[in-house]
Amino acid sequence: EAGVAQSPRYKIIEKRQSVAFWCNPISGHATLYWYQQILGQGPKLLIQFQNNGVVDDSQLPKDRFSAERLKGVDSTLKIQPAKLEDSAVYLCASSLDRGGYTFGSGTRLTVV
Amino acid sequence: DQQVKQNSPSLSVQEGRISILNCDYTNSMFDYFLWYKKYPAEGPTFLISISSIKDKNEDGRFTVFLNKSAKHLSLHIVPSQPGDSAVYFCAARTLNSGYALNFGKGTSLLVTP
Repeated sequence: EAGVAQSPRYKIIEKRQSVAFWCNPISGHATLYWYQQILGQGPKLLIQFQNNGVVDDSQLPKDRFSAERLKGVDSTLKIQPAKLEDSAVYLCASSLDRGGYTFGSGTRLTVV
Repeated sequence: DQQVKQNSPSLSVQEGRISILNCDYTNSMFDYFLWYKKYPAEGPTFLISISSIKDKNEDGRFTVFLNKSAKHLSLHIVPSQPGDSAVYFCAARTLNSGYALNFGKGTSLLVTP
């Protein structure tokens, strides 16, 4: 089975610019997650979708971050405007049910 | 508020010996615990898990032990192999979290020949 696809792999932007990340989950996985992993930290949940509905976005900084999952498949995460502290790896994951997730390889964002 | 804690940032073990990675948690509502392994430039991959109703789960060279009264779990790797060198994350979730995971900061394991 194909894994979770993410693009781009790397992105460097200046602060105050905007950026978008894309995720294609494993086919048939209803639940999709975006995690932020800052260097030296564990991944932190930003938002969770069940199909195309938001289950939990309590830790998403909504003044600058947005995410959508149109048609319950692909998802995009956007940051506008970016700050230096947004430098991190953004991980997308999907799951079928209560088992472990499958993570993508992530997008490494550097804000300068 | 770090609910899952991995207090050892790194661990070095000789090939063939046992690796023991530790994890502590503070939320007594956690009902399911997982270990993930991460290589550089890759996403975390699921390794092994344990339900809060069990105290041990074994899968080949990997065993996870859960001590609920101490709010502590550990991952044992026996025997350790150089390919096990990676960052290991402990994660936990509650019944009502919609499967969202709380991760520790990770322990970097180095297995030397």
